[in-house]
Amino acid sequence: QKEVEQDPGPLSVPEGAIVSLNCTYSNSAFQYFMWYRQYSRKGPELLMYTYSSGNKEDGRFTAQVDKSSKYISLFIRDSQPSDSATYLCAMLSTGLVFGQGTRLTINP
Amino acid sequence: EAGVAQSPRYKIIEKRQSVAFWCNPISGHATLYWYQQILGQGPKLLIQFQNNGVVDDSQLPKDRFSAERLKGVDSTLKIQPAKLEDSAVYLCASSSRLAPNEQFFGPGTRLTVL
Repeated sequence: QKEVEQDPGPLSVPEGAIVSLNCTYSNSAFQYFMWYRQYSRKGPELLMYTYSSGNKEDGRFTAQVDKSSKYISLFIRDSQPSDSATYLCAMLSTGLVFGQGTRLTINP
Repeated sequence: EAGVAQSPRYKIIEKRQSVAFWCNPISGHATLYWYQQILGQGPKLLIQFQNNGVVDDSQLPKDRFSAERLKGVDSTLKIQPAKLEDSAVYLCASSSRLAPNEQFFGPGTRLTVL
């Protein structure tokens, strides 16, 4: 079993839709939970991070962490074509432990 | 503020050859990481440096991979000899010592082993 599981998709939604991306994990010691966005042929870019359980909002993006269920989510409101990318969840161990990434396409 | 720099951006070699990648982290970042990202997967940590000391190299295939950060700034990652399964993007990241959760990535080096 992988430490971090993420559905690779692909996920395709119309512009303006609410997008929900999710990861599960097995290591209860994880305390920091990150979401990265990666465009094709680019390095990952940190979107936001959450410490421990709870919600965090940044513009159109909301991250949620439920440590009791070992489940994290990223919501994107009013999705735009420019949001089309691969979204990676990551958790902090010595370095980062990443999920497989979900490829997201927003259709105009 | 300049980001993480990596070179070369692309490299094609034949199996059993050697290759080296270079990384220059964000100025002032004490912690440097090398990740391997195979197509369709998330990045996997290979090695972490704190200044010029190794913090974690448990996932580095030490029979063929080596890395150094001699002066606590730039770093090189070497593969010798390369195998077909080493084809991947090699990403360098850096962070400040106090914020390891905020890692900034370079554009990566795309390695193809034929």
